[in-house]
Amino acid sequence: AQRVTQPEKLLSVFKGAPVELKCNYSYSGSPELFWYVQYSRQRLQLLLRHISRESIKGFTADLNKGETSFHLKKPFAQEEDSAMYYCALSGLSHGGSQGNLIFGKGTKLSVKP
Amino acid sequence: SAVISQKPSRDICQRGTSLTIQCQVDSQVTMMFWYRQQPGQSLTLIATANQGSEATYESGFVIDKFPISRPNLTFSTLTVSNMSPEDSSIYLCSVRGHGVAEAFFGQGTRLTVV
Repeated sequence: AQRVTQPEKLLSVFKGAPVELKCNYSYSGSPELFWYVQYSRQRLQLLLRHISRESIKGFTADLNKGETSFHLKKPFAQEEDSAMYYCALSGLSHGGSQGNLIFGKGTKLSVKP
Repeated sequence: SAVISQKPSRDICQRGTSLTIQCQVDSQVTMMFWYRQQPGQSLTLIATANQGSEATYESGFVIDKFPISRPNLTFSTLTVSNMSPEDSSIYLCSVRGHGVAEAFFGQGTRLTVV
């Protein structure tokens, strides 16, 4: 079964502290994994994808196939990082369609001053 | 990139009525999807909107309740039929181009059924 698990509903840290948002997945093939972010009153948008291996706004995420994880990390959190973060997997839908995203339940990150 | 215009942005509807949500994209895209996000929950795929043919529905979603149209590559509608309070949710349109990994989202339609 295809599944994305984000164990933390809420993560609260102080400004300047490291942050790690956890994501584990279940997928039988080679997954495409993403992190999407939704800032207050804005639409959902892509933060980063595993195939790019890039750092966006100081965030990085490494795909660990052995642990089936794709945790999002940032060494020094900023107040503007406060948002809802969703881990997503691109796979095959139950209806047979391809290209849709399977989302985790999301983690709300709150960065306090 | 793709810019999606979704409307209405919100509505309050009486139970038993229907609401049609529109999704307009500024460029031709291969894939269009409709998601639902219930309060406190994640995004759940309702269906894939197929151009010129019937949508592909996910388990738990049926055409009679959520009819979808996609007359061309840039436009789709989702209708929530015979609404009940359990249909209160945010409905999101999403698009993804062929061979392009990034998905783009509309701003969502916040539906409240009373």
